[in-house]
Order: sequence, then C-alpha cells, then structure tokens
Amino acid sequence: ELQLVESGGGLVQPGGSLRLSCAASGFTVSSNYMNWVRQAPGKGLEWVSVIYSGGSTYYADSVKGRFTISRDNSKNTLYLQMNSLRAADTAVYYCARDYGVYAFDVWGQGTMVTVSS
Amino acid sequence: EIVLTQSPGTLSLSPGERATLSCRASQSVSNYLAWYRQKPGQAPRLLIYEASTRATGIPARFSGSGFGTDFTLTISSLEPEDFAVYYCQQRTNWPLTFGGGTKVEIK
Repeated sequence: ELQLVESGGGLVQPGGSLRLSCAASGFTVSSNYMNWVRQAPGKGLEWVSVIYSGGSTYYADSVKGRFTISRDNSKNTLYLQMNSLRAADTAVYYCARDYGVYAFDVWGQGTMVTVSS
Repeated sequence: EIVLTQSPGTLSLSPGERATLSCRASQSVSNYLAWYRQKPGQAPRLLIYEASTRATGIPARFSGSGFGTDFTLTISSLEPEDFAVYYCQQRTNWPLTFGGGTKVEIK
C-alpha cells in the first residue's frame, strides 16, 4: 500500500521555526516528484514546494527564502524546514506524490501548523 | 502565474443528479489539468489527471474533458460520498496552482 505519514506540526510563535517530516511507504521518495501543499483553515489548497527526483527544488513565492524542502533517501522521508514563520503560514500541511503525470496521486493525512503568540 | 477560476462556487443538487463543474485557466495549460475531491477533514483525492484520464480506482461516473483553457468535470449520477469540495489544478508552469474550489452540496 502506498502511504505518506506527516509529523512535526504544532504551535509556534511568529518568527519561529518548525520542521515537518513525511515518511513514505510502498514507494521510493527519491524516484518521484515530492511536494508540500497547504490549506489554511476554511480555505483552498496552496502548493508550497517540490523536490524533483534529480534533486531540483521549486518554491511558491510566499515561502521562498524561508522554507527548505529536502529528503533523506536512507529513511525514505521528505522534510520541510520552515523558518521565520508568520501567522499567514497557519495551515494543514500535506505531503503529496507526483509520479510524473503532473498530479498528486498519493497524499498524507496532513499535519497542522499554527503560528500564533 | 496561471490563475484557475472554478464555477460555480456552490452547486446544490440531489443524489442521482448530474453535476457539471467548470475550471477556466488564465492561459493555456494544454491538457495538464487535474481534478480532486476533498471531503471534510480529509486530504484531497485525485479523480482525473491529464484532463480526461481517470485515476486508479475512480468510478466511471467521473469524467473530465477540455483542452487549453476550458475544462469540465462531470459526475453522471451523484452518490452520497460525492457531496464535497472539488478542486482543479495545473502544472504547466511553476508555480503549480489550484482553483478556488466548487462545493457540491445536497439540495
């Protein structure tokens, strides 16, 4: 079974940092385009970042320079390092796989990040 | 950035009825358009990719059509689990973008 499980969310103060993890099973993270997508409370979906199988990375303008996507091939795990957090970053963060059809066929259950003082 | 506009914002229908959802792109996305269904408290689920290809395990009542800037998701006969929010998504150019969503509610 293909599965993604996120962890690492929580409450953090503005300006703080958090690292999200996404553990994969049933497939290899490094062989796919792995993404982070977020959803603010009551709002729609917003793409955040991608890491290609070759290692290239892209970010939404809203997080560029503050967030870093990475992966640990030995742990088959995807990460999102989030620095300089703002209230506007409050959302459920999902990791999702694109296996090359420009769409996300496997999603995690999401982890909630709340940025508040 | 490519903007995806979904309409209508809300669709009120009864079980068994046909649903037609629209997604319009601000510039051509070729056929790189996907559709998702999201139930409350759950992650989105891929329904259609490349505009018209059903994802694995998706029933035949879901169909997608369109090319370029105008796309349609059709649900031929609504089941109880289909009352949810639907999103379209493109990945022709970065940044990847989603539409604002269409809520299909029970009339």
